Parts: sequence; C-alpha cells; structure tokens
Amino acid sequence: EVQLVQSGAEVKKPGESLKISCKTSGYTFTSNWIGWVRQMPGKGLEWMGIIYPGDSDTRYSPSFQGQVTISADKSINTAYLQWSSLKASDTAMYYCVRQPGGVRYFDYWGQGTLVTVSS
Amino acid sequence: EIVLTQSPGTLSLSPGERATLSCRASQSVSSTYLAWYQQKPGQAPRLLIYGASSRATGIPDRFSGSGSGTDFTLTISRLEPEDFAVYYCQQYGSSLWTFGQGTKVEIK
Repeated sequence: EVQLVQSGAEVKKPGESLKISCKTSGYTFTSNWIGWVRQMPGKGLEWMGIIYPGDSDTRYSPSFQGQVTISADKSINTAYLQWSSLKASDTAMYYCVRQPGGVRYFDYWGQGTLVTVSS
Repeated sequence: EIVLTQSPGTLSLSPGERATLSCRASQSVSSTYLAWYQQKPGQAPRLLIYGASSRATGIPDRFSGSGSGTDFTLTISRLEPEDFAVYYCQQYGSSLWTFGQGTKVEIK
C-alpha cells in the first residue's frame, strides 16, 4: 500500500528555519517524483516544486524558486521541504504528493503539515 | 505559465442533480496532462480524473471528464451527498504544474 506520511504541525516565529518531511512507503521511491503543494488558509492549491529522488532532479515553481528548498534522502525514502527564514505569509498547509514516472498528475497525497508562523 | 480559470466559483445544486464544472486554459494544454481533484473540508485532495477523461482507481462512474485544447469539463452525472466538495483542475506544461482556483459544489 502506497503511503505518504508527513511530519506534524509546526509553530514557528518569523525568521526561524524549518524542515518538514514526507516519509514514503509501499513503492519504489527512486522511480517516482515527489512534489509539494501549498494551501494557504481558505485558499486554493499551489504547486511549489518537485524532485525525482532517483537523480535529485528538482524543479521549482517561479513563485517559490529561492524561497524554499526541496530535497530527498533515498536511504530512508523521505522527501523534505525547508525554509531558511520563515515569514508570516508562509502560514499554510503543505502537502507532499507522488507523481508516478512518465505521467504528470499526483496520484497519492500526504495528510498535510500545517505550518503556522507567528510572532 | 499556463493559467487555469475554473467556473463557476460556486455551484449550488441538490443531490441527484447534474454538475458541470469548467476549466479553461490560457493556452492549449495537452489532454494527457489535464487532471481533476476533489477536496473535502479538512482532507487532502484526491485524484479523480487524469488524462482529461480517465477515472482514477476507485472513482465512481458518475464522474466523467472531457475536453481538449483550452476547454475542459468535469461532469458529475447525479450528485451524491459525499460529492459536495471543492474541485480543482491541474495541468502540466513547460516543466510547470499549475492548478485552477477551484469550484465549490455546495448543497442548495
């Protein structure tokens, strides 16, 4: 059974750093893309970026390029999304998603990680 | 970047009625790369339709997708109580993935 299990909710202050995780199981981690999607409170879905763990090929939405870093650890089948300096506007739910190799849709979603940034 | 515009923003219907949701792209999208998702309150989205018209695993046949080029449609033939939710279209092009802003299907 394919599973994407995300790390728990975080409460941070502006300027702090953060790394959230998405632990996967039930499929070949290195043969599928893993992406991240943001959903701000009461708003729609925004694609942030995606990584192919097999070779670490990473693509970013222009809106998020330079604002976040996406990475993956093949040894533990886990993907990460990190910020070096959080802003209040980063408050949102973040979902990791799986994209099977060769297609361009997201067939499995993590349960979401709520990040709250407040002073 | 291709922009997806969904309409209407909100659709108020009764159970048993037919729902027709539109997704219009700012430029032509390959049908292969057009998908639809459903999101219920407090839940992660789930894949409904991929390749514009193929149902994902476990999706009831009352859900259907159609369209090509810049105009795509998600149809729910007879609304069940569990279908009241927000629906998003999504496309891929030029190494970018984008979502529409969503259509909320609410109980009338």
